[in-house]
Amino acid sequence: QVQLQESGPGLVKPSQTLSLTCTVSGGSISSGSYYWSWIRQPAGKGLEWIGRIYTSGSTNYNPSLKSRVTISVDTSKNQFSLKLSSVTAADTAVYYCAREDPDTVTYDYWGQGTLVTVSS
Amino acid sequence: QSALTQPASVSGSPGQSITISCTGTSSDVGGYNYVSWYQQHPGKAPKLMIYEVSNRPSGVSNRFSGSKSGNTASLTISGLQAEDEADYYCSSYTSSSTHVVFGGGTKLTVL
Repeated sequence: QVQLQESGPGLVKPSQTLSLTCTVSGGSISSGSYYWSWIRQPAGKGLEWIGRIYTSGSTNYNPSLKSRVTISVDTSKNQFSLKLSSVTAADTAVYYCAREDPDTVTYDYWGQGTLVTVSS
Repeated sequence: QSALTQPASVSGSPGQSITISCTGTSSDVGGYNYVSWYQQHPGKAPKLMIYEVSNRPSGVSNRFSGSKSGNTASLTISGLQAEDEADYYCSSYTSSSTHVVFGGGTKLTVL
C-alpha cells in the first residue's frame, strides 16, 4: 500500500520561501508511470493544482504559480519536494502531495496534508 | 473562482438519493472522459470515489455512480448514509495549461 507523508515548516514569513517534502513509502517512486503532484486547499475553499513531476525530472506547473514554484525529486530518498517563493498570506493553505495516474488523470493516493501559515 | 461549477450544498435524508452536478466547458468536462469525483471528510485528505466519469475504484460502494452529458458531469449517491456526509469535489483533465481543474466543492448534508 503506497503511503505519502508531507513534512516541513508550518509557519513561513511573508516574502520567504515555503519548502515542503513528500516522502513516499510502500513502493518505489520510480516504479510505474506515475506523476507526483502538489495540491493545496485554503481553509474553507476548494482544491488548487500546483504542479507535478515525473521521475525523469520533467515538470508541469500551474501557470498562475509558475514563476514562484519549483518541484524536484530525489529518487534515492523516495521523496519529492515543493518550493514556493515570495509567499504572501494568500498562500496559507493545507498542502497535499498526491500520486497521479496519468492514464486516468486521477489522484489515487494522497498524503494527510500539512497546514502552512504565512504570517510574520 | 473555480474552473468547474458545483452547487455549494445539497442535502438528503437517509435512504434517499442525491445528485451533485459539475459543469465545465468543451475544453474540460465536455471534451474528455477524464472526470473524477473525490470525497473529503473534515480534516482529511480527499478520497477518489469515481474516475473516468463512471468507474469506481476497488472498495468504493456501488451506491456511488457517475455520469456525464455534454459539459456537465454528475455524481449520484443512492441509499444515503450518515457517513456520506462530506464535501465532494469533481475534477477534469483540461486542454488548458493547468492540466487539471477542480470544482469548488459541494457540501453534502445527511438530514
